[in-house]
Amino acid sequence: DAGITQSPRYKITETGRQVTLMCHQTWSHSYMFWYRQDLGHGLRLIYYSAAADITDKGEVPDGYVVSRSKTENFPLTLESATRSQTSVYFCASRSGTPNSPLHFGNGTRLTVT
Amino acid sequence: QKEVEQNSGPLSVPEGAIASLNCTYSDRGSQSFFWYRQYSGKSPELIMFIYSNGDKEDGRFTAQLNKASQYVSLLIRDSQPSDSATYLCAVTPPAGGTSYGKLTFGQGTILTVHP
Repeated sequence: DAGITQSPRYKITETGRQVTLMCHQTWSHSYMFWYRQDLGHGLRLIYYSAAADITDKGEVPDGYVVSRSKTENFPLTLESATRSQTSVYFCASRSGTPNSPLHFGNGTRLTVT
Repeated sequence: QKEVEQNSGPLSVPEGAIASLNCTYSDRGSQSFFWYRQYSGKSPELIMFIYSNGDKEDGRFTAQLNKASQYVSLLIRDSQPSDSATYLCAVTPPAGGTSYGKLTFGQGTILTVHP
C-alpha cells in the first residue's frame, strides 16, 4: 500500500542502548522529517532531509543521528538512549511543491527505562 | 517569541456551536499555512491549507488568513463531539531560504465539544 510507515510502533529500551526507528515512504517525496511530540512541547523537529544524502538539523537534534541513502527511507538512530528521549516520534514526508502538506506516519512510542 | 503560537486551551464549545481556533506566526514571509487535527494517541491528519489572504471553505471548516496581521484561524461550524481533538497550526518558511520545505508547528489547541 502507498503511504508512510514507521516501525516499530512501540519500543522499550534501556538507558545507554542504541535504538533505530525506521521510516519508509512510497510516494517518492523529496522531503522527509522526524518530529518528537511531548506534552507541553508540541511537535518539535529533530532532523529533516531535502533529498537522498542531504540532511539537516532541526530544533532538537542532540543525541540523534539520521541517514538517507535512499529516497524512500529515513531512519532515526538514538546512539545512546537517555530517559529524556522517551517520547512519541513521528516521521513525515512531503513533496517539493510549495503548498504540499506533510503526511505523517503512525508514530513510534519509545520508552527509555 | 515563538515562531508559531496557539492558545493551548482547552477550548470548550457546545455541540452545534462554532469553534474558533487561532494561530499567529512571527515570520512575515511565511508562505503556506496548514491546519492539522490530532486525536489522542494518533498521528496528525491534514484538515486544510491556505496560502492566499481571505477565507477558504471546505465543508464545515473555514480557514482564514490575514498576512498583514500575521494570523490564521480555523472555524468549525456545527461542532460535533467527534471534532474533539487537538488542532495544530503549521507554517512554511519563505521560499528560497535554507529551511525551505520545513513546517513549523504551534503547540496546538485542545478542543472539546460537549453534547
